[in-house]
Amino acid sequence: EVQLVESGGGFVQPGGSLRLSCAASGFTFSDYSMNWVRQAPGKGLEWVSYISRSGSTIYYAESVKGRFTISRDNGRNSLYLQMNSLRDEDTAVYYCTRDTVNDCWGQGTLVTVSS
Amino acid sequence: EIVLTQSPDFQSVTPKEKVTIVCRASQNIGSSLHWYQQKADQSPKLFIKHASQSLSGVPSRFSGSGSGTDFTLTINSLEAEDAATYYCHQSSNLPKTFGQGTKVEIK
Repeated sequence: EVQLVESGGGFVQPGGSLRLSCAASGFTFSDYSMNWVRQAPGKGLEWVSYISRSGSTIYYAESVKGRFTISRDNGRNSLYLQMNSLRDEDTAVYYCTRDTVNDCWGQGTLVTVSS
Repeated sequence: EIVLTQSPDFQSVTPKEKVTIVCRASQNIGSSLHWYQQKADQSPKLFIKHASQSLSGVPSRFSGSGSGTDFTLTINSLEAEDAATYYCHQSSNLPKTFGQGTKVEIK
């Protein structure tokens, strides 16, 4: 069964940092590009970042550029999102998704940024 | 940035009725348009990819059409389990963007 499981969310003060992880199973992780997509409470979906299969190509939404870093470890079948300089508006459920069409989603991990 | 505008924002529908959701892109995105269903307190699920390609396991009453800037998600003969918010998403240009969502409620 194809599965993505996010972890690492939590409560953090503005300016703080968190590192999200996404553990992939049930498919050949290195064959797929990956994304992070977030959803603020009661709001719609927002694409955050993309990483290619090898990790050589990376893109970010303007709202997180310079603060967030996406990475992957194909040997560990894992995707990561390092989030620094967090702001109130980064509060959201963060999903990892597979492939350009987001054909598989994790259950999400909640990040709350508040003083 | 490509803006995706969905209409309507909300639709209250009786079972067996036909539902049509429109997604309009601010620029030509070819067929790089995908549809997701998100039920309350669940993760989104891909329902239609590349404008019209159905996914395994998705009921046949769901279909997608369109290309360029105008796209449609159709639900023929709505069932109670279809109550959800539906989002369109474009992967043609960066940044990737989503529509604002259409909430479908069962009367």
